[in-house]
Amino acid sequence: DGGITQSPKYLFRKEGQNVTLSCEQNLNHDAMYWYRQDPGQGLRLIYYSQIVNDFQKGDIAEGYSVSREKKESFPLTVTSAQKNPTAFYLCASSIDGSSGNTIYFGEGSWLTVV
Amino acid sequence: SQKIEQNSEALNIQEGKTATLTCNYTNYSPAYLQWYRQDPGRGPVFLLLIRENEKEKRKERLKVTFDTTLKQSLFHITASQPADSATYLCALLDRGSTLGRLYFGRGTQLTVWP
Repeated sequence: DGGITQSPKYLFRKEGQNVTLSCEQNLNHDAMYWYRQDPGQGLRLIYYSQIVNDFQKGDIAEGYSVSREKKESFPLTVTSAQKNPTAFYLCASSIDGSSGNTIYFGEGSWLTVV
Repeated sequence: SQKIEQNSEALNIQEGKTATLTCNYTNYSPAYLQWYRQDPGRGPVFLLLIRENEKEKRKERLKVTFDTTLKQSLFHITASQPADSATYLCALLDRGSTLGRLYFGRGTQLTVWP
């Protein structure tokens, strides 16, 4: 089945550690996105990528980094510079970044700082 | 400042009734609005899209209206069922956004009781 796979589902990070969340899609979509969701908050855009080897900062990129070396993969690294990383992280993709296209989401990853 | 407000955090209705959810926006010029359903601990799932030049869209028991004068979209679920219980998110593409970025509201948690 086509879709977006995020892993791991649950991740615990110690203070000062970097962690990487995986996102893989087999939908042949050009555009991919990372959102953060906090309780009672709307989804906030961290990074997005319209094509391979290109990505742009979203609204809350500080403390995060991404890469887009392959069309199907868009991993997110939460660095130690991110002061409040505990949240639900959602990866998404769309056919391309133009308007009118549906965004498809993965099942999300929970990150907790311990 | 730009805001997307969904009418209430929680809405409780009896099975068989019509649920009406509201999405109001401020200081955006939406090219279109989308509605998503999100179940606990899972990624949002796309439901409906309505463009700025459309007044109404329907899909089975779902109906969306869009009033650019009121700056409001209404999302209706007719003959509601307990299985419709979830959080519903509205999202919009601002015409000032060149790269297809969506802005999300916080969501309304709908509970349909038997």
